[in-house]
Formats: sequence, C-alpha cells, structure tokens
Amino acid sequence: GENVEQHPSTLSVQEGDSAVIKCTYSDSASNYFPWYKQELGKRPQLIIDIRSNVGEKKDQRIAVTLNKTAKHFSLHITETQPEDSAVYFCAASDSGNTPLVFGKGTRLSVIA
Amino acid sequence: DAGVIQSPRHEVTEMGQEVTLRCKPISGHNSLFWYRQTMMRGLELLIYFNNNVPIDDSGMPEDRFSAKMPNASFSTLKIQPSEPRDSAVYFCASSEGGANQPQHFGDGTRLSIL
Repeated sequence: GENVEQHPSTLSVQEGDSAVIKCTYSDSASNYFPWYKQELGKRPQLIIDIRSNVGEKKDQRIAVTLNKTAKHFSLHITETQPEDSAVYFCAASDSGNTPLVFGKGTRLSVIA
Repeated sequence: DAGVIQSPRHEVTEMGQEVTLRCKPISGHNSLFWYRQTMMRGLELLIYFNNNVPIDDSGMPEDRFSAKMPNASFSTLKIQPSEPRDSAVYFCASSEGGANQPQHFGDGTRLSIL
C-alpha cells in the first residue's frame, strides 16, 4: 500500500521568510495530493491540492509542486506570517476507493 | 454550508463504558470518513463509507470498534467496551465523490477514557 513520508517534522522560520515542507510517496499510481493545515485544537483544513496532471499550483502565498518521476511533492509558503503557525499534513491517494494516506505532519512555527 | 457536524465535542467516561460518536456529513457528500488522531500515531483512517456502504474498514483497531451509516446524513462510531488507550480526538470527514476528492473535516470529538 501507499506510504507517505513527510519532512521536516518541525520547522521554525522568521516572519517574512519562506517555508518549504516536502513529502515523498511510494505508490506510482497515486494521483491526488492534498495539503491540510491544523491549528492547535482545531480540525484539519484543506489549504491546497494538486493532481498528477499538473506540476505546480499556486494560491496567493501558497504553492504546491509535484515531481511524479521522483514521487515527491512540496508545499511552499512565501512571506510567512505568525498566523501560518500550525501543523501541516500532506496526503496521497490513487483512486476514489483508496483512502488518503497522510504524512506524520510538520509543525511550523513562524517567529515574529 | 453548515459543514460536517460532530457530537459530542468532548466525552469523558470510565473504562468499560460504551461510547457513541455521531457525525452528520455535508449535504450532498456521498463519502464519509472516520479518523483518529493521537500524538503518537498521528492521523489514522478508521473506516470509509461510500454511498452509505463501508468500503475500507481495515483501520478499525479491533472488534470493540464498530461504525454504521444508516442513511446519507448520519453516521456513528461506537466503542464497546472502551479502554484508556482509546483516548484520542476522533474526526469525521466527508467528500463529494470518493477519497481522492477534497475532504472536509468536522471539529472532532475529544474522547478521554479514565
């Protein structure tokens, strides 16, 4: 089955700097890659997703890149702000009947 | 859009008691997921329904756990008997059209078994 590895487990950046979180997956058939943000005590919220037919997707300060050959995808946050501090999870799925497999999460701290 | 609604938000009970968690998915969503989140194990899928039918229950820890979805607008996750190691946050999520569509999470139930 699918295995998703996420790095780093913790990340601290200065406000205004960029943050990058990387994930690798094992199943070459995976074609859907969402990213979730979870603030302390809150529910995971989808912030961006990408499908295997595109290599990059942007939404304001957030972007996701996908390298299918290398089987890895990354989340990029530019101009970080204190409210970006949260745990971020990547996930992968290969079909509608195969559940999402989540990474272990990255705790991002943005220092003002 | 009311979002995914879970109840109760918090539950504290003694070991051995039956616990029932409830979930109302977003109207029109035909896929429903139950997850468990702990510090040690992260976010784990317990069971996944599509059109009210269980598709994958391989994450259900043991026979003490059971889940039902009697109709498109309601699901329950039951633990009987409960044990302290079941303490966790349980999330319900729903999506429109399967596991590879955006999933929307409820606020979760924080369960503590004493």
